[in-house]
Amino acid sequence: AQKVTQAQTEISVVEKEDVTLDCVYETRDTTYYLFWYKQPPSGELVFLIRRNSFDEQNEISGRYSWNFQKSTSSFNFTITASQVVDSAVYFCALSDPLNYGGSQGNLIFGKGTKLSVKP
Amino acid sequence: GAGVSQSPSNKVTEKGKDVELRCDPISGHTALYWYRQRLGQGLEFLIYFQGNSAPDKSGLPSDRFSAERTGESVSTLTIQRTQQEDSAVYLCASSLKGIPDQPQHFGDGTRLSIL
Repeated sequence: AQKVTQAQTEISVVEKEDVTLDCVYETRDTTYYLFWYKQPPSGELVFLIRRNSFDEQNEISGRYSWNFQKSTSSFNFTITASQVVDSAVYFCALSDPLNYGGSQGNLIFGKGTKLSVKP
Repeated sequence: GAGVSQSPSNKVTEKGKDVELRCDPISGHTALYWYRQRLGQGLEFLIYFQGNSAPDKSGLPSDRFSAERTGESVSTLTIQRTQQEDSAVYLCASSLKGIPDQPQHFGDGTRLSIL
């Protein structure tokens, strides 16, 4: 079955610390896509990154970086030098063509990790 | 508009009443999704529309839930005879095409509270 697990329910750090949010996924398919979304206190989900299953290169965008490892079915997200504005709930999600009721593009979400960055 | 628009932003109603939630997707997006987010939980898929194809209703939790979409524009999610367990934030998302690699763009959601 398709599943996304974010084992860390809540993380609290002090500003400027680095923090890594874990994501482990399960899927039967060889072609799939992984996403990270940010949900700030205002509530709107903001798309951060998409990665396909054939591209295992790590990606860096400013203070954000993502480590995709197919061997461990993980897609971890690291924030370097965290800031108070990074405080939000972060969701990892999986999409694959043959999943979940046959609906293409449907996202399976983890339960989220609430990150609190204190000044 | 520039983003996905949902209305109302908040809805409080009594148990047993029907409610209707509205979603305006991003112009040109053919795929539209509804999700439910219970307090402290991840998002739960409800229904998916792609162009003029029959919708995928596999995520609807009961026959009290239904949704419609007019062409490739507005969608409404209707919950009949609401129950307290229906209290949640209902999120709508749209994407350019309903294919797995397209990111979904979400609205702010409708916070539904059943008394």
